[in-house]
Amino acid sequence: AQSVTQLDSQVPVFEEAPVELRCNYSSSVSVYLFWYVQYPNQGLQLLLKYLSGSTLVKGINGFEAEFNKSQTSFHLRKPSVHISDTAEYFCAVSEGNFNKFYFGSGTKLNVKP
Amino acid sequence: GAVVSQHPSRVICKSGTSVKIECRSLDFQATTMFWYRQFPKQSLMLMATSNEGSKATYEQGVEKDKFLINHASLTLSTLTVTSAHPEDSSFYICSARQIQNNEQFFGPGTRLTVL
Repeated sequence: AQSVTQLDSQVPVFEEAPVELRCNYSSSVSVYLFWYVQYPNQGLQLLLKYLSGSTLVKGINGFEAEFNKSQTSFHLRKPSVHISDTAEYFCAVSEGNFNKFYFGSGTKLNVKP
Repeated sequence: GAVVSQHPSRVICKSGTSVKIECRSLDFQATTMFWYRQFPKQSLMLMATSNEGSKATYEQGVEKDKFLINHASLTLSTLTVTSAHPEDSSFYICSARQIQNNEQFFGPGTRLTVL
């Protein structure tokens, strides 16, 4: 089974500052990688995904992530955050044909004015 | 994009009663749907994989007799929490896998509170 690690449970940052949310996964086989955002009492919204091709993936709301196979990482970045980005972010890995999803423990991003 | 709905969004029930949660793919067909559970301040944990027309596959540690899953059509899967207890209180999220490209889309979740 896959293991997905999000080392930072909480990340406080000031508005307009850059942010990086870290994600590492365990498998060495081909995987699909995802970042989801969850606002309070809501479901998951897909931010971006890596299936194949370019290792730099751009998503919604100005987020991007870079797939690094050698380091088995898929860190999420945004050059300038907004108050509205305050939410919880989950990294997820899916093996093979979008079968099971394995989620990280989540990172709460708290953007301060 | 593909939309998955869940009903109800919130439910409060008494201990010992059963609760049914519906998961629907609104604009696509899904032979496979997944049920997840999210405890407060924790991540999502896969409970079971629901396959249309066949029995669900449960993850280790999930009681199949307590969490009954029925996938009656290509657009509907239901999760019934039988004889619910306070420890079953959680956020239940479903996802549906699109037939055309196998991508998964997540529902908005159902908040279950058992008193």
